[in-house]
Amino acid sequence: ELKVEQNPLFLSMQEGKNYTIYCNYSTTSDRLYWYRQDPGKSLESLFVLLSNGAVKQEGRLMASLDTKARLSTLHITAAVHDLSATYFCAVDKLGGSNYKLTFGKGTLLTVNP
Amino acid sequence: DTGVSQDPRHKITKRGQNVTFRCDPISEHNRLYWYRQTLGQGPEFLTYFQNEAQLEKSRLLSDRFSAERPKGSFSTLEIQRTEQGDSAMYLCASSSPDSHNEQFFGPGTRLTVL
Repeated sequence: ELKVEQNPLFLSMQEGKNYTIYCNYSTTSDRLYWYRQDPGKSLESLFVLLSNGAVKQEGRLMASLDTKARLSTLHITAAVHDLSATYFCAVDKLGGSNYKLTFGKGTLLTVNP
Repeated sequence: DTGVSQDPRHKITKRGQNVTFRCDPISEHNRLYWYRQTLGQGPEFLTYFQNEAQLEKSRLLSDRFSAERPKGSFSTLEIQRTEQGDSAMYLCASSSPDSHNEQFFGPGTRLTVL
């Protein structure tokens, strides 16, 4: 069974600081997804990482993928309050006819002034 | 088309009642998924359609749950004889074969069973 673990689960940081969220997964997967969820809202797709060594950046967020270590990171640079949200990573299992995503528990990020 | 839509957005029901939710995916997407999310957790997979074919159902989906996608367009999820443990956010997502399985989520239906 595919398992996805995120850490930390809770992150409180000050504006202007940098931090990294980690996502480990248990079986081979070459595709990893990052989503953002605001309170009471649905999930917004942030990044799709498709191969080993993939790196994508959007604004103050940068995501990377190491398939050999089964690890993805989401790095936050110079955090601002608007980044406060819950961030989920998810993987799918290649092969077969089902493309379901398996999600981590999420990281609740709070950026304080 | 502005994205995945779901109806209703909120549903309050009494235990034992049946409820039905609707999902309209992005129009060119042939893959449609249902997930369930409880407080403090990530979404959990329930079932998946490719066009009108239901290709997989999670063990989480008891026989009280049924889903359909009759013409390969919109989908419905029905829960019969609701229980308090069914209270959750029900999310629908869709994707296309060309999108590397990037799934786009609807706003969700929040179910409360009293």
